Amino acid sequence: EIVMTQSPATLSVSPGERATLSCRASQSVSSNLAWYQQKPGQAPRLLIYDASTRATGVPARFSGSGSGTEFTLTISSLQSEDFAVYCCQQYYNWPPLYTFGQGTKLEIK
Amino acid sequence: EVQLVESGGGLVQPGGSLRLSCAASGFTFSSYEMNWVRQAPGKGLEWVSYITSSGSIIYHRDSVKGRFTISRDNAKSSLYLQMNSLRAEDTAVYYCARVTGAFDYWGQGTLVTVSS
Repeated sequence: EIVMTQSPATLSVSPGERATLSCRASQSVSSNLAWYQQKPGQAPRLLIYDASTRATGVPARFSGSGSGTEFTLTISSLQSEDFAVYCCQQYYNWPPLYTFGQGTKLEIK
Repeated sequence: EVQLVESGGGLVQPGGSLRLSCAASGFTFSSYEMNWVRQAPGKGLEWVSYITSSGSIIYHRDSVKGRFTISRDNAKSSLYLQMNSLRAEDTAVYYCARVTGAFDYWGQGTLVTVSS
């Protein structure tokens, strides 16, 4: 099983500032990496797929980078609605054994 | 508009059974692979089961193999998860999710609580 490790567990950032979240895979997942945003009581929302492609309707302040085992989600200027939990996921395996990171909670500083 | 609506969750005793449903609309259901993903209270996301667009190939995570079965009815645009021999550790919100590589659309989830 590919283990996804996110850091930090909690990130405190002020509105308007930049946030950088990291995700590491225990083995290469090429660019088969997605980022999701989840707010309390809501389903996850796809933000980034294929490591760097924004999903439909996702604001340009969200960007993803990386390949292989190291990935980054950057939010360029935090808005109030961006404070949430962010989770990475690999979809490299076949047969499918999708795995998720444990999440980074982005909180208001 | 793509919509996925889960139902069928509830409180069940250990060893009991439940059948979850996911009603899809707004897209050609028969063209997409689908998954079930769960989230235990206060925990992260955990993939549970996968099914191809035709339903001919299915996979489950090891911890539910032999107890859970994913299926679909393309004529009804519906996805199912039959859960037997439920355990306390199966307590979670269960989401259905559409696959396009990543999981691009998710339902709102249905809560399954396994407790005596």
